[in-house]
Amino acid sequence: DSGVTQTPKHLITATGQRVTLRCSPRSGDLSVYWYQQSLDQGLQFLIQYYNGEERAKGNILERFSAQQFPDLHSELNLSSLELGDSALYFCASSATTATNEKLFFGSGTQLSVL
Amino acid sequence: AQTVTQSQPEMSVQEAETVTLSCTYDTSESDYYLFWYKQPPSRQMILVIRQEAYKQQNATENRFSVNFQKAAKSFSLKISDSQLGDAAMYFCAYMEYGNKLVFGAGTILRVKS
Repeated sequence: DSGVTQTPKHLITATGQRVTLRCSPRSGDLSVYWYQQSLDQGLQFLIQYYNGEERAKGNILERFSAQQFPDLHSELNLSSLELGDSALYFCASSATTATNEKLFFGSGTQLSVL
Repeated sequence: AQTVTQSQPEMSVQEAETVTLSCTYDTSESDYYLFWYKQPPSRQMILVIRQEAYKQQNATENRFSVNFQKAAKSFSLKISDSQLGDAAMYFCAYMEYGNKLVFGAGTILRVKS
């Protein structure tokens, strides 16, 4: 168990809908990262938050947004869903943003858009 | 942008044998970190091994070791005494400044009994 909790584990929804994925980092970790794993794009970095502030953006679509709350949990919001958004979404956490920090991954949320 | 290439989509190994998974990367940085992650059928991402680029000594973790060739930008993973539980997708990853991981496409490892 990595200590990173993601809910829900599975999510099935329809095109055009909006969903929210939730992540609770390991106790004491201030930095949260979101990654997307899809068949065609592989594993891609989406966005990073550190202590409530956005730190870095990757290949995140404008239809997607995220935030990190004062209790350090994070939410990834996906709107106007398309079939191609079907993927496994991972959250990871680390204590700081130092480059030598290990990242600990949650077990992911499997999103299926029908 | 940094890129990570895993040229072997799939590899097979006999139980108790040794297998090497290849990875090359491209970067203009001199200081960075490289990782191998394992993703079993449960889909959990599990850190296998980490290598700091400034260290010449190759990292080892029990049956897992790396061959890090900085000049060649090569970072291969050797699994010794392969076990059935080693069957998984293995991802090579490069860590950019700020802790962003850039992943390769992955190599599926099958272990035959």
